[in-house]
Amino acid sequence: EDQVTQSPEALRLQEGESSSLNCSYTVSGLRGLFWYRQDPGKGPEFLFTLYSAGEEKEKERLKATLTKKESFLHITAPKPEDSATYLCALRSNFNKFYFGSGTKLNVKP
Amino acid sequence: GAVVSQHPSWVICKSGTSVKIECRSLDFQATTMFWYRQFPKQSLMLMATSNEGSKATYEQGVEKDKFLINHASLTLSTLTVTSAHPEDSSFYICSARRSGADSGANVLTFGAGSRLTVL
Repeated sequence: EDQVTQSPEALRLQEGESSSLNCSYTVSGLRGLFWYRQDPGKGPEFLFTLYSAGEEKEKERLKATLTKKESFLHITAPKPEDSATYLCALRSNFNKFYFGSGTKLNVKP
Repeated sequence: GAVVSQHPSWVICKSGTSVKIECRSLDFQATTMFWYRQFPKQSLMLMATSNEGSKATYEQGVEKDKFLINHASLTLSTLTVTSAHPEDSSFYICSARRSGADSGANVLTFGAGSRLTVL
């Protein structure tokens, strides 16, 4: 059964305090692992797509990595504007996208 | 970039009435659109996959007669919540996947969501 699990559920950081969010997955055939950012009351905003183990993508203070079982979203020196819920999703062989429960990040100044 | 417009952004209706939510891909064609439901502080739950010109595929446990989905063109999908009840109150989000075989076609672009409140 295709499954996505994210941890931690919530994360509070001080501005400048780097950390990582985890996304563990099981899938019959991975056709992409996606990271999205969602602000309250809005639709998710695309961040990264990773396709194969060892792949890395970067954007400003965010860096996403992928292994055969999990993906990490590393946040370096976060700022308050990075506060949001970060969602991990995978696309399966059946062309469906499954989302994890998300990690709510709160960065305090 | 790919833009998906969802309308209305919020709606309040009386119990027993029907509500239609529109999802449009503004600058690309989308053969496949997805409808999600999101409860407070929870993640997105896939309700159905909408394919242009054919019947939608519903996830297990989703009532197809209550949540009518129509994908009449490559840029428009609609979700109609029929005979709405308070338990249908939720945040509904659509997403579209751009047609094509390139890597960009893998990405889901989301609408801003529609908050439905049924009184």
